[in-house]
This record gives sequence, C-alpha cells and structure tokens, in this order.
Amino acid sequence: AQKITQTQPGMFVQEKEAVTLDCTYDTSDPSYGLFWYKQPSSGEMIFLIYQGSYDQQNATEGRYSLNFQKARKSANLVISASQLGDSAMYFCAMRNTGNQFYFGTGTSLTVIP
Amino acid sequence: GAGVSQTPSNKVTEKGKYVELRCDPISGHTALYWYRQSLGQGPEFLIYFQGTGAADDSGLPNDRFFAVRPEGSVSTLKIQRTERGDSAVYLCASSLVLAGANEQFFGPGTRLTVL
Repeated sequence: AQKITQTQPGMFVQEKEAVTLDCTYDTSDPSYGLFWYKQPSSGEMIFLIYQGSYDQQNATEGRYSLNFQKARKSANLVISASQLGDSAMYFCAMRNTGNQFYFGTGTSLTVIP
Repeated sequence: GAGVSQTPSNKVTEKGKYVELRCDPISGHTALYWYRQSLGQGPEFLIYFQGTGAADDSGLPNDRFFAVRPEGSVSTLKIQRTERGDSAVYLCASSLVLAGANEQFFGPGTRLTVL
C-alpha cells in the first residue's frame, strides 16, 4: 500500500524562525518522487519542492529545504525565516513508479507575528 | 501565459443529477490529473491522462465517474447520478511530462455541492 502520513494537524511558528513539517511515506517502489505543496486559504495548490528517491543530496529551493531520510522513509519540509505569508496548509505527496500521486492529510501552519 | 483553468468554479446540483466538470490544462502539457479534495483532507487521486488516453483510472471511486480527454488537451470529468458524498472540490493538474521533477500545475478547482 502507498501511504503518506503527516502527523501534525497544526503547527505554529514565530515570524523569522524556522519550522519543520513532518512527512513519512510508505512504498515498496524502488523509484518514486516526493513533493511538497502549499495551499493558502484561497485554495490553489502551489508546488514548493521536489526530491527524487535516487537523489543523493537534499533538495533546496530558496527558504525551503527537504530533509530526506530514505532509510526512515521520511521527507520533512524545513521552512527557514518564516514569513506571515507562509501561513497555509502544507501537503506532502508522493509519485510512485506508476505515476500515481498520493497526498497526506496536510499540516496547517500559522506564522505568529 | 495562462495557467490551468477549471469551469465552473462552483456547481450546485441535486442528488441524482448528471454533472460535467471541465479542465483546460496549460498548453503543451501532455499529462493531466484529476483529484478530489474533501474538506480537511489532501487531494485524492482519481485519474490521469498521458495524451488522449487514460493511463490510470484506478482512483475513480465507482462507475458513476468517467473522464475523457479526446484531443489530448481539454478534459471533462463526468459524474452520473450524483450523491451527496460526491460533494468536494475537484482539482485538475497538468504537467509537461510524466517524469522526474516535472511539477504539476493545479487549477483553482471546481467546488461541487450535491444537495
């Protein structure tokens, strides 16, 4: 079974601080991709970052980095220097070898001024 | 350039009716996905197309749901005999190819309410 688990329904972070959003996944596929998306209250899904299962280095995109621990099957998102505009739902997703996408239940992040 | 568009943005229908939801992907994108997002949940995969053909429709919940993409561009998700449990936001996404880091670009969604 393919599964994405996000265990933090809600998180709070002080503005300018860093925050880690947890994601674990379960797959038996040898090749897969891991994604993080942001969904503000407006509803659109915004791509943030991607990590391939064979990538040796952790992905980084500006203030976003992905802490990929393959043996633990975790793909945590780290947001550095949080901004008020970062307040949103964050979804972890996995694309399997068959190109199906599986999303977690999301983490609601609130940045406190 | 234009992003993924979905019409209508909102659809209210009565139980038992037929509805069609339309998705216009980004021009040139060969892969197109449909998802359903219920309140408080992440998107749930329904079906994806590579070109004109449905490469995987294993996420469609039952035979009341059907999707087409006849010319490899616009796609229509069709729901027959709607039920109250079909109420959700239906998201469409497209990407250039099915591989690697090619991100999916999502549309704004269609909010379907079945009364």
